[in-house]
Amino acid sequence: DTGVSQDPRHKITKRGQNVTFRCDPISEHNRLYWYRQTLGQGPEFLTYFQNEAQLEKSRLLSDRFSAERPKGSFSTLEIQRTEQGDSAMYLCATDGQSSGNTIYFGEGSWLTVV
Amino acid sequence: KQEVTQIPAALSVPEGENLVLNCSFTDSAIYNLQWFRQDPGKGLTSLLLIQSSQREQTSGRLNASLDKSSGRSTLYIAASQPGDSATYLCAVTGGNQFYFGTGTSLTVIP
Repeated sequence: DTGVSQDPRHKITKRGQNVTFRCDPISEHNRLYWYRQTLGQGPEFLTYFQNEAQLEKSRLLSDRFSAERPKGSFSTLEIQRTEQGDSAMYLCATDGQSSGNTIYFGEGSWLTVV
Repeated sequence: KQEVTQIPAALSVPEGENLVLNCSFTDSAIYNLQWFRQDPGKGLTSLLLIQSSQREQTSGRLNASLDKSSGRSTLYIAASQPGDSATYLCAVTGGNQFYFGTGTSLTVIP
């Protein structure tokens, strides 16, 4: 158990619908990342938070994607008007001084857009 | 942009064999390098973290080395076991993000 919790684990949605994923980090970790992974590929960076501040966003994060981390605790990743190309596993990861820079990943949220 | 390459893409070995996985990166200005294990449909588990100032790290049957100047890292697995079967990914840190390779899929045959 890595301690990073993601919900839901699986989501099937129709094209055009909105979906939201939630990530609950290890409590003492102030840094939180979202990554996207497709089959046979390594994870690709989407965005990064330090506490509640979103400090970096990838060009992969189109206008249909938005991420928040209110109060520097849990984070949400919302995808609006989903497209089939959004089908992937969305991974949340956290680290902080207490982890010695070791990053801990959640189990991921699988999205299938039909 | 940092690019990370892992060779081979897939590897199949008999149980008990020692093996080496390779990772190369294009920009040597890294903060650290981590090796991860990923089981099918699961998240990633960190195996070893090597800071940029270090040359190697060991954990049990695993040993990871880092040569920043040549942009290479290796993960050595001793006395492989069927439970080691998984995909192994390396990632380098630059700035606020990790750059991942595409992984090596390892199968250890009993």
